[in-house]
Amino acid sequence: DTAVSQTPKYLVTQMGNDKSIKCEQNLGHDTMYWYKQDSKKFLKIMFSYNNKELIINETVPNRFSPKSPDKAHLNLHINSLELGDSAVYFCASSRPSGGPQETQYFGPGTRLLVL
Amino acid sequence: TQLLEQSPQFLSIQEGENLTVYCNSSSVFSSLQWYRQEPGEGPVLLVTVVTGGEVKKLKRLTFQFGDARKDSSLHITAAQPGDTGLYLCAGAGGSNYKLTFGKGTLLTVNP
Repeated sequence: DTAVSQTPKYLVTQMGNDKSIKCEQNLGHDTMYWYKQDSKKFLKIMFSYNNKELIINETVPNRFSPKSPDKAHLNLHINSLELGDSAVYFCASSRPSGGPQETQYFGPGTRLLVL
Repeated sequence: TQLLEQSPQFLSIQEGENLTVYCNSSSVFSSLQWYRQEPGEGPVLLVTVVTGGEVKKLKRLTFQFGDARKDSSLHITAAQPGDTGLYLCAGAGGSNYKLTFGKGTLLTVNP
């Protein structure tokens, strides 16, 4: 019973291409997130959605566009991929209360390599 | 911008030794969480501390939140090879309790 799932697990593509990463959670959570983990393992939040509404949008190039078709899904579309986009992208979800004690549940990550 | 400094960045010890990982900031956080990440997987929450001075124990792991809620420590007693992994601290702050992560401590426990 996978709680937070991401597809694909690995993504190798050429510079300039457009790609999407999909995320689904079956925990009944209202809040979902996208994080980027660089080669030095630094994990940084990119976006957060609460019940399909964008609530956190960090300083991310507008080539990155999240889309939430429903509260169980948060997809990430990346246009015109660049070498620096190579990283591991994690999706996460949490309950909607947004309190400081909320646990975030992470997916297994998507390893993106831009050549 | 809230920043969390974790130290040490790398730690390699022998089975049975004790260790402490530190997480420091100049900012006050509503809570501080510790995650453990294994290779090829996402981070998994170990504990959340909310109250200044709070101490929580999870088997051989002891977590402490500083009195001023700016720093935290993770102490592992009698480390085992199964403790090997990347330990991440994350502070929750702001109106939406956004998590700010430290850069992690990569722990290797050798048998």
